[in-house]
Amino acid sequence: KQEVTQIPAALSVPEGENLVLNCSFTDSAIYNLQWFRQDPGKGLTSLLLIQSSQREQTSGRLNASLDKSSGRSTLYIAASQPGDSATYLCAGKEGYSGGGADGLTFGKGTHLIIQP
Amino acid sequence: DAGVTQSPTHLIKTRGQHVTLRCSPISGHKSVSWYQQVLGQGPQFIFQYYEKEERGRGNFPDRFSARQFPNYSSELNVNALLLGDSALYLCASSLRPGGQPQHFGDGTRLSIL
Repeated sequence: KQEVTQIPAALSVPEGENLVLNCSFTDSAIYNLQWFRQDPGKGLTSLLLIQSSQREQTSGRLNASLDKSSGRSTLYIAASQPGDSATYLCAGKEGYSGGGADGLTFGKGTHLIIQP
Repeated sequence: DAGVTQSPTHLIKTRGQHVTLRCSPISGHKSVSWYQQVLGQGPQFIFQYYEKEERGRGNFPDRFSARQFPNYSSELNVNALLLGDSALYLCASSLRPGGQPQHFGDGTRLSIL
């Protein structure tokens, strides 16, 4: 059974810093990995999706990488801003074909605070 | 285009009651999934529906059921509510199951007294 772990659980940094959020998973048979942002009391906003055949994806100041062999994904946030404050969740889709109906397996998230 | 919409946004029930939560997917999306998020935890998969058929089910008791309608909207039903059912219930839609990104609604906050 896939397990997803996110480190650190919480992070507080000054505005402008570059930072890395970590996600590890136990089963390398992962079809894709998706990073989400969740604001308090809200749903999830999809940030980046990395397919198993890809190594990384970029969107603006965000860059996510995937290393299936080591069971790790990282989310890199450049030049952090107070508006980046939120909980960041990673989630893996299992299976080699992606057609499996097990849903996404989520980590518990990293609660990020960017100090002005 | 409208995103995933869920109703109601908040709901308060008492133990033993029944609840129905509703979800409308993004236009053109045929797959809907339901997740339960307890405070401080990541979401947990409950159900996936595609083309009106159940395609997957997480480790939840039979008190939880769902269905998908011809217009691809979906309902999640929970019977005999327990205090532990208090959570944020999230609906996600995608074009189809598998490798597509899932897009989530804002959820329904269910509180059981």
